[in-house]
Amino acid sequence: DTGVSQDPRHKITKRGQNVTFRCDPISEHNRLYWYRQTLGQGPEFLTYFQNEAQLEKSRLLSDRFSAERPKGSFSTLEIQRTEQGDSAMYLCASSFIGVTGELFFGEGSRLTVL
Amino acid sequence: AQRVTQPEKLLSVFKGAPVELKCNYSYSGSPELFWYVQYSRQRLQLLLRHISRESIKGFTADLNKGETSFHLKKPFAQEEDSAMYYCALRWNTGTASKLTFGTGTRLQVTL
Repeated sequence: DTGVSQDPRHKITKRGQNVTFRCDPISEHNRLYWYRQTLGQGPEFLTYFQNEAQLEKSRLLSDRFSAERPKGSFSTLEIQRTEQGDSAMYLCASSFIGVTGELFFGEGSRLTVL
Repeated sequence: AQRVTQPEKLLSVFKGAPVELKCNYSYSGSPELFWYVQYSRQRLQLLLRHISRESIKGFTADLNKGETSFHLKKPFAQEEDSAMYYCALRWNTGTASKLTFGTGTRLQVTL
């Protein structure tokens, strides 16, 4: 399968713990996005990478959140000191410069903070 | 600010009936609008984009700049159309090209 893959698919953690999600984009895609989706809402933009450079971060991304994309390949999203409000589906998407607007999404990583 | 509004959380129609999923947007620039769909147990995927003016799976959507709308239509609903539909607006910040999504409409097609 050459689509966007995310790991883990589900994570249950206790409040205050750190969690890390990984995203492997489609190999030739140089743009990578993280979105967050809560119940009853559409995906909300968190951050964006072009190759290894993080070019944009949403105000939703507090200082407890950090994302990296070393070498412009896979990306990680780490949440430190998790809070119950962090419970959500974290979606990764990738695209290729020149293709207007189409994002290819992964299946998401669902986080539950107890 | 950029905003996408989908007023209906749920739209239930009978098989063979026409479908119209509403989407309105707010954006001061030149809009690029999309419809994404998520079928049960599948990932979110692009259905169609306004610049292509294409019909996908019988669905069409016309951008109406005067009414700031991009409604999704299909003349005859099929059971396999049951899914979650998201309207999205693409806009540029100078450093990034981003999609802003609406809250989604669940389409339920019944026999």
